Amino acid sequence: AQSVTQLDSHVSVSEGTPVLLRCNYSSSYSPSLFWYVQHPNKGLQLLLKYTSAATLVKGINGFEAEFKKSETSFHLTKPSAHMSDAAEYFCVVNQNTGNQFYFGTGTSLTVIP
Amino acid sequence: NAGVMQNPRHLVRRRGQEARLRCSPMKGHSHVYWYRQLPEEGLKFMVYLQKENIIDESGMPKERFSAEFPKEGPSILRIQQVVRGDSAAYFCASSTRQDNQPQHFGDGTRLSIL
Repeated sequence: AQSVTQLDSHVSVSEGTPVLLRCNYSSSYSPSLFWYVQHPNKGLQLLLKYTSAATLVKGINGFEAEFKKSETSFHLTKPSAHMSDAAEYFCVVNQNTGNQFYFGTGTSLTVIP
Repeated sequence: NAGVMQNPRHLVRRRGQEARLRCSPMKGHSHVYWYRQLPEEGLKFMVYLQKENIIDESGMPKERFSAEFPKEGPSILRIQQVVRGDSAAYFCASSTRQDNQPQHFGDGTRLSIL
């Protein structure tokens, strides 16, 4: 069975400060993990993906995530928040033999000027 | 723009009517996925199709919902006799392969049932 838990439904940071969005997963098989961002009334845009290569994955817009198997985590980070980062973020897991993507319930990021 | 195209962006229907949602995958993509997003929730998988084949419809409600991806033309998600609970955003995604490849999403169709 697979599932994704995003530990915070809302995160609020000041502009220029670090961002941490937490994600834990469970998977019976070696998973692929993704972070997507959704701006209001838009579709989802891929930020980054982990597919069993380097455990530290760098994505677009300065985001990165680290796959930690021992902690079953895939937290998303960014050193310095920008106003344009305000959006909904989804952590997604996909086992390497399946066609279903399992979405977390999302974390809403607010950036305070 | 060679991205995933969904139309209409917004669709309003009265209870009992039919809703048809269309999705054209990215060029070169042969795999299409439909998801439903209820307010304040993540996306829930509905169905996975390749050209002329439904591969996995385990997330699709058993009644009133159907999907197709014909040889020519877009994928269609059809909801018959809509009810208020069908109000949601419906997203289509496409990919080149089945497993562990990023899915590229359209901007969604927001369905409102009066």
